[in-house]
Amino acid sequence: SQQGEEDPQALSIQEGENATMNCSYKTSINNLQWYRQNSGRGLVHLILIRSNEREKHSGRLRVTLDTSKKSSSLLITASRAADTASYFCATEKTSYDKVIFGPGTSLSVIP
Amino acid sequence: KAGVTQTPRYLIKTRGQQVTLSCSPISGHRSVSWYQQTPGQGLQFLFEYFSETQRNKGNFPGRFSGRQFSNSRSEMNVSTLELGDSALYLCASSLLAGGTKNEQFFGPGTRLTVL
Repeated sequence: SQQGEEDPQALSIQEGENATMNCSYKTSINNLQWYRQNSGRGLVHLILIRSNEREKHSGRLRVTLDTSKKSSSLLITASRAADTASYFCATEKTSYDKVIFGPGTSLSVIP
Repeated sequence: KAGVTQTPRYLIKTRGQQVTLSCSPISGHRSVSWYQQTPGQGLQFLFEYFSETQRNKGNFPGRFSGRQFSNSRSEMNVSTLELGDSALYLCASSLLAGGTKNEQFFGPGTRLTVL
C-alpha cells in the first residue's frame, strides 16, 4: 500500500491564486520530498524536508511537516500556468530504505 | 553536467518477449533506482543499485531484474512480458545510497507498450 497519500487528487485554480496540496503518510519517516511532473520536464525534485524540520521555503514554495499528524503540505503561492503539473510526495522510513511515492495531486492553473 | 539518460525512449513489444532498458546516471552518481509508473498504480519502486549491489527491492515478480555496472550505468530486464507491464519506466540517480536524504534526479523515462 502507498506510504504517502496526496489530497486532493485534482485541483483547478486561476493564475495568481495559491494552491495547497496535502500529503499524509502512515508510518514514521526519515525525510519527505515533493516532486513535480509535467510532460515537458519529466519528474523534478522540488524540496526536501527532514523529519526534525517543521517548515521550509524555496521561492514560491512552502512546505510544512507535522510529524505528530503524519502529514505535510505544499503551498504554491501566486500560481502560474507553468505550475500546471502533477505533484507527488515521497517518503522513506529510514535513511537507507526505499523511496515510496504517493498517487499525486493533479494541479491545473488556468490563465 | 549531463542529466540522466535513458534508452530507448519508446519501445513496443509483444506478450512473452523480453526487454532490456538502459539508464546512464549523472556523472559521479553511484546510486540508481528504477520505478514503474502507470495510471492505475502510480509510481512504484522497483529496485535500487549502489556500487553494483542491489540495496533495495520493491514488490515485483522475479521477471523484473536489474544490474549495475562498474561505471554506475544500470540496466533493467523484464522477461516474459505481460500486457500489464505497459508503463513508463523511470530511472533516478543520486550521489549516495538511500532515498530522500539524497536528492534523486530522474531521467525522461522509457515508455514500454506491450501488445
